[in-house]
Amino acid sequence: DTGVSQDPRHKITKRGQNVTFRCDPISEHNRLYWYRQTLGQGPEFLTYFQNEAQLEKSRLLSDRFSAERPKGSFSTLEIQRTEQGDSAMYLCASSPGQPMNTEAFFGQGTRLTVV
Amino acid sequence: DQQVKQNSPSLSVQEGRISILNCDYTNSMFDYFLWYKKYPAEGPTFLISISSIKDKNEDGRFTVFLNKSAKHLSLHIVPSQPGDSAVYFCAATDNYGQNFVFGPGTRLSVLP
Repeated sequence: DTGVSQDPRHKITKRGQNVTFRCDPISEHNRLYWYRQTLGQGPEFLTYFQNEAQLEKSRLLSDRFSAERPKGSFSTLEIQRTEQGDSAMYLCASSPGQPMNTEAFFGQGTRLTVV
Repeated sequence: DQQVKQNSPSLSVQEGRISILNCDYTNSMFDYFLWYKKYPAEGPTFLISISSIKDKNEDGRFTVFLNKSAKHLSLHIVPSQPGDSAVYFCAATDNYGQNFVFGPGTRLSVLP
């Protein structure tokens, strides 16, 4: 296992279309995070899973966004009815459950462009 | 309201000299702090972290200092190398680790 894997790396979509991104975390990491990063900004938190439970969601995660982690392993992030403002890098990260304070490891991200 | 601030958008240093990147935070519940490095078109890479029970943590050329009373931390890179040129993000979390809050980043350029 070489790290957090995200697919696709790049996605170009037309406004109004739905898109889905996949994240495969590091094996045995039970914590999984989704972040969004736009140019010149730091990563902004979207949502957090512990195993299959979605425990925290940012107010940035509008009702057009949904994330799942059905078996506590991989996760998907879906954006419905995409808007140009959704164009960003979507980052996934994972960390082990213990110790509580430990670093998160990031994938290479999915670059979304909405045209 | 930005809870983690990096007030220097960019920094240039000569190769071999010290790079000092600064970070301030406002949330007193934060007790674990991290620095990440990011190259273009890649995800952030973890560099070094520090718990609030410490005031210094060192790993090779990288040292992080934490001043809890001032809600300030800094990353020192000595000696700086051209390969260190990247964007550096400061991040913080509370004891539950459910949400890492990132600063806006500082772009470091190390000049040969």
